Amino acid sequence: DGGITQSPKYLFRKEGQNVTLSCEQNLNHDAMYWYRQDPGQGLRLIYYSQIVNDFQKGDIAEGYSVSREKKESFPLTVTSAQKNPTAFYLCASSADRNQPQHFGDGTRLSIL
Amino acid sequence: AQSVTQLGSHVSVSEGALVLLRCNYSSSVPPYLFWYVQYPNQGLQLLLKYTTGATLVKGINGFEAEFKKSETSFHLTKPSAHMSDAAEYFCAVSFPSGGYNKLIFGAGTRLAVHP
Repeated sequence: DGGITQSPKYLFRKEGQNVTLSCEQNLNHDAMYWYRQDPGQGLRLIYYSQIVNDFQKGDIAEGYSVSREKKESFPLTVTSAQKNPTAFYLCASSADRNQPQHFGDGTRLSIL
Repeated sequence: AQSVTQLGSHVSVSEGALVLLRCNYSSSVPPYLFWYVQYPNQGLQLLLKYTTGATLVKGINGFEAEFKKSETSFHLTKPSAHMSDAAEYFCAVSFPSGGYNKLIFGAGTRLAVHP
């Protein structure tokens, strides 16, 4: 079955440490997205990429970085500059800008 | 500025009762509209979408929504709630923005279904 795989499901970060969240899709979608979800809030866009080797900042990009070297992969790095990283992170993809976004099952990041 | 408002962060219904989850949006251009459902510790699953055409949209699991332009609303309904409908529901709207359709989410409504 086609879909989006996020790993790991749970991740713990120490102070001053960078961590990378994986997102892989086999839907052959061009566009990919990273969202952050906090309790009682909707999803907020961190970064998005419409094609390989190109990505754009979303609404809350500070403290995060991404790469898009392959169509199927869009990893997110949470850097030590992100002072409040505890959240649920969701990756999504879509065939093009007019199609619905499909979501992975998320990664929950916590601080040790 | 575009925004999405979901009225009621928590809704509780009895099994078999009507489910009504409210969503209003503000936009200066015609949006695309979506409802997603999220079960605990999972991603979002698309329930239904409205892009153009018929304003009453049917989705999965017996849900439907009606786009009312005059009221800028896209409320989600289901005639008879089932225990398995307990989840969080997100309304989202899509607007053209910088070459791609930016998706803006409401804060979510948690639906509880009791026997």
